[in-house]
Amino acid sequence: GQQLNQSPQSMFIQEGEDVSMNCTSSSIFNTWLWYKQDPGEGPVLLIALYKAGELTSNGRLTAQFGITRKDSFLNISASIPSDVGIYFCAGLVLDNFNKFYFGSGTKLNVKP
Amino acid sequence: DTGVSQDPRHKITKRGQNVTFRCDPISEHNRLYWYRQTLGQGPEFLTYFQNEAQLEKSRLLSDRFSAERPKGSFSTLEIQRTEQGDSAMYLCASSVRSGYGYTFGSGTRLTVV
Repeated sequence: GQQLNQSPQSMFIQEGEDVSMNCTSSSIFNTWLWYKQDPGEGPVLLIALYKAGELTSNGRLTAQFGITRKDSFLNISASIPSDVGIYFCAGLVLDNFNKFYFGSGTKLNVKP
Repeated sequence: DTGVSQDPRHKITKRGQNVTFRCDPISEHNRLYWYRQTLGQGPEFLTYFQNEAQLEKSRLLSDRFSAERPKGSFSTLEIQRTEQGDSAMYLCASSVRSGYGYTFGSGTRLTVV
């Protein structure tokens, strides 16, 4: 299957700080998704990106679809304690629109 | 829109027993997906349905696993002769169209003892 590399694996930040995480692949993707997962729950869709270069915001979250189509990043501004969770990127390859491949996640910890 | 529902939320079973999980997708979504997630990993694709047709299955889906979506609405995932390696969170998701973001359910946490 496709490999999506997420970095960092985990991060500890202070409330109020900005956060940046990214996702890279050796393959070209034509859709990128960002999800957040709380313990014991299913992932919740945060942002969907459908075109190379696209920059999309959802409240304090901003994500971009890299112009090479092999990467994407997610920024969170002014973090708050409820941002704690695991953030996953997911990508859709050109030759198979049937399933998204997921990265292994970035675990975010926010200290009040 | 009541979201994607999965039942049960938790299941503990003895090795060798059969288990069945149910997923009710968002009603207007004709695509339904099953994923498996182990601790510290992202979800891994198992299979997907368009309406009642099962169109793709992962190699992860051994012959002990079977999934159905008999009337194109709810789906079931059955695992026969469970093994300890089957312990995982089983996630169901649905989408309105190919290539669009999924809506996931809360998952079924399976523990095989």
